[in-house]
Amino acid sequence: EVQLVQSGAEVKKPGESLKISCKGSGYSFANYWIAWVRQMPGKGLEWMGIIYPADSDTRYSPSFQGQVTISADKSISTASLQWSSLKASDTAMYYCATGAGYSSGWPYWGQGTLVTVSS
Amino acid sequence: SYELTQPPSVSVSPGQTASITCSGDKLDNKYACWYQQKAGQSPVMVIYQDTKRPSGIPERFSGSNSGNTATLTISGTQAMDEADYYCQAWDSTTEVFGGGTKLTVL
Repeated sequence: EVQLVQSGAEVKKPGESLKISCKGSGYSFANYWIAWVRQMPGKGLEWMGIIYPADSDTRYSPSFQGQVTISADKSISTASLQWSSLKASDTAMYYCATGAGYSSGWPYWGQGTLVTVSS
Repeated sequence: SYELTQPPSVSVSPGQTASITCSGDKLDNKYACWYQQKAGQSPVMVIYQDTKRPSGIPERFSGSNSGNTATLTISGTQAMDEADYYCQAWDSTTEVFGGGTKLTVL
């Protein structure tokens, strides 16, 4: 069974750094794309970017380029999303998802990680 | 940047057919996917490659894509189908989600 398990909820202050994770199991982690999706409170889904763990090929949405860093460690089947300096506007639920990419969509999703940034 | 436009809300009576549209420039040159998100839950893919249903998705969910509009159709809508629905497509090397449509079954 394909599973993506995300790290737990975080409460941070503006300016702090953060790294959240997404661990895959039940499939060949390295050979499927991982996507990160943001959902701000009461709002819709926003595609942030994707990574192919086998070679770390990474693509970012223009809206998130330079704002976050996506990485993956295939040796531990884990993808990560990190911020160097959080802002209050980063408060959101963050989902990881996996699939073959492009037209195949994202059939498997993690449970989400809630990030709250508040002073 | 590429944009996908969905109606904010659609209402349907139980047992009737619900249609949710997604508009984008020359959308039929791309593949559309659809996701269902119930309150407090992660999204679930219900359609990919315009018309295909993933395993486990009921047959009442179907999709089409023509011209500038992709459509998700739910036949014989049930109360359990009440949720937010999002379309999604690739543009060049990035993905885009539509703004979402709240489906109300009343």
